[in-house]
Amino acid sequence: DAMVIQNPRYQVTQFGKPVTLSCSQTLNHNVMYWYQQKSSQAPKLLFHYYDKDFNNEADTPDNFQSRRPNTSFCFLDIRSPGLGDAAMYLCATSEGVYEQYFGPGTRLTVT
Amino acid sequence: AQTVTQSQPEMSVQEAETVTLSCTYDTSESDYYLFWYKQPPSRQMILVIRQEAYKQQNATENRFSVNFQKAAKSFSLKISDSQLGDAAMYFCAYRRTGGGADGLTFGKGTHLIIQP
Repeated sequence: DAMVIQNPRYQVTQFGKPVTLSCSQTLNHNVMYWYQQKSSQAPKLLFHYYDKDFNNEADTPDNFQSRRPNTSFCFLDIRSPGLGDAAMYLCATSEGVYEQYFGPGTRLTVT
Repeated sequence: AQTVTQSQPEMSVQEAETVTLSCTYDTSESDYYLFWYKQPPSRQMILVIRQEAYKQQNATENRFSVNFQKAAKSFSLKISDSQLGDAAMYFCAYRRTGGGADGLTFGKGTHLIIQP
């Protein structure tokens, strides 16, 4: 009965090689978020979709993009990963102002 | 911009005892939400408890309760009768009201260790 699913759980990519992380939800929530969580740091919001409306945080690098082809799926694309992009990437969903439901995260390693 | 500060990187408590995790925040808003999230090792983050800033009464969920001091911008989490399953990273988070789809602003987290 997983509600927010992230694939893969672990991803290794090479410096500069594009990579896509996937998130899906069974909750039918209208909002989906992507957070970046570096080691020993707070999760940091990158962007979110409210239905089909994309909302980018002001300090999210241009290297990070997102797609939401339908309600259930949302993708995080990193066009040219650098060593500094190694992190845990968390997907979350919400319907309304209260709780956000998180997936287990994808740990990205850049070699 | 809002900031959330958790000054305790790690806390340790004996099983069955009580522990309090600290959180302070900074905001110019008068109405907002505060949350405590729990992130067990290799598992997803789950909501522990939330507090609406307009409510004076402190939120309680079973063994978890908060001490919300709005004037001091303080929001601590008390865990009573600690259990081994409480071991996790705990994140304090802030969200303003009125921005229905706003993301959360998190603190850096407190690693809670439960000693058997």
